Amino acid sequence: KQEVTQIPAALSVPEGENLVLNCSFTDSAIYNLQWFRQDPGKGLTSLLLIQSSQREQTSGRLNASLDKSSGRSTLYIAASQPGDSATYLCAVGYNNNDMRFGAGTRLTVKP
Amino acid sequence: DAGITQSPRYKITETGRQVTLMCHQTWSHSYMFWYRQDLGHGLRLIYYSAAADITDKGEVPDGYVVSRSKTENFPLTLESATRSQTSVYFCASSENPGNSNQPQHFGDGTRLSIL
Repeated sequence: KQEVTQIPAALSVPEGENLVLNCSFTDSAIYNLQWFRQDPGKGLTSLLLIQSSQREQTSGRLNASLDKSSGRSTLYIAASQPGDSATYLCAVGYNNNDMRFGAGTRLTVKP
Repeated sequence: DAGITQSPRYKITETGRQVTLMCHQTWSHSYMFWYRQDLGHGLRLIYYSAAADITDKGEVPDGYVVSRSKTENFPLTLESATRSQTSVYFCASSENPGNSNQPQHFGDGTRLSIL
């Protein structure tokens, strides 16, 4: 079964700290991997998408890496801000219509 | 405004009732998806559609029906609602998932409670 696990489930850090969110997956035959942000009562916003052939993607203060051989991805957030507080979801795509989601990491950045 | 819109945002109904959740997108994306989000399970795919009049089951399709007569609309119907279908439902669309560089775009969700 294709499972996606995110650790930790919740994380609280002071403003300005650099942090790493982890995602692991059991089936390494992936199509792509996406990191999403979800604010309370809202839908998902795509942050970064890494294709199967890529090792990392960067957008502003965010950097996502992918290691298929070990079944892991990390989302690095630099210089965290209170506005980064949200739930971050990892989703592993196995083809164009099969995307498996982790349960998310709830991030709180304290001023 | 361009985007993906779900309605209603909140719905309370009783077991055994039929309820339809609406999803409308203005991008003319070919693919559309319905997910449910439950605590401890993350998002799970219910149904998806590759184009108008083409639909297929996802991971948890039982108890749900979909249709797609027009590219922009993808309604989800619970024919006889059960308490286990209480959840938050998300609709998403994608331009061409055949290109692995295409992300999915999500609506704001419908919070459905079945009493």
